[in-house]
Amino acid sequence: KAGVTQTPRYLIKTRGQQVTLSCSPISGHRSVSWYQQTPGQGLQFLFEYFSETQRNKGNFPGRFSGRQFSNSRSEMNVSTLELGDSALYLCASSPASTGELFFGEGSRLTVL
Amino acid sequence: ILNVEQSPQSLHVQEGDSTNFTCSFPSSNFYALHWYRWETAKSPEALFVMTLNGDEKKKGRISATLNTKEGYSYLYIKGSQPEDSATYLCAFSQGTSYDKVIFGPGTSLSVIP
Repeated sequence: KAGVTQTPRYLIKTRGQQVTLSCSPISGHRSVSWYQQTPGQGLQFLFEYFSETQRNKGNFPGRFSGRQFSNSRSEMNVSTLELGDSALYLCASSPASTGELFFGEGSRLTVL
Repeated sequence: ILNVEQSPQSLHVQEGDSTNFTCSFPSSNFYALHWYRWETAKSPEALFVMTLNGDEKKKGRISATLNTKEGYSYLYIKGSQPEDSATYLCAFSQGTSYDKVIFGPGTSLSVIP
C-alpha cells in the first residue's frame, strides 16, 4: 500500500510570493491534516479536512489555506510569503476510525 | 487553547537502561492520546493511540499508560537500544473526533552505545 506522498519535497520562494503544496493520502483515508514545523518549535496544527470539508483549523493567519478534493487529495496554499513561513510542512492522512496519523515525508519551504 | 506538555525535553541514556517520559494534557473533554516516534530524516510514526482511562499498550520494548482523569500519560522504554534514539511526541485530541490532533514539543532521546 503506497504511503502518503507530498510534493514538492523542497522549494525556495521569495517574500511576497505564494506557494501550493500537495498531499496524496493513503488509499481509503478520508482525513488529511497539515502541520508546520519550524526550528525550535514542535508540530503546529494548521487544519484538517474530511470528505472535502475543513473540520478544524489551528491558529494561523488567513494567508494559510487549504482544500481537499473528492479523491481525498489535499492542497495547502500560503500567500504573501514571509520569512517566518520557512518550515517543514507535513501532511498526515488517517483512517477516521482509529485516528492514527500516517505522515508524508514533508515539503521543506525556504523563503528568501 | 489545548496545551500538551512533555518532560523531560531531552534525555541521554546508556544502552540497556530503561527510561520513561511524561506527557500531560488537559483532562477535560478528553478524546484520545497519541504517541509518535520521530527519527532523524524520517517522518513521525505512530506508536500508540489510546482512548480509555487506565489503558495500557505495549509494542515490543515500548509501553504506555494513560490516566485521563488527571491528564497524564507515561511512555516506557525497557532496555534502550541505539535504534531507539529519536524524538518521542505525545499528541492529544479533544471532543468527539480526531479532527484536531495537537502535539507536544517532544522528548529527544539519545541512547549511547
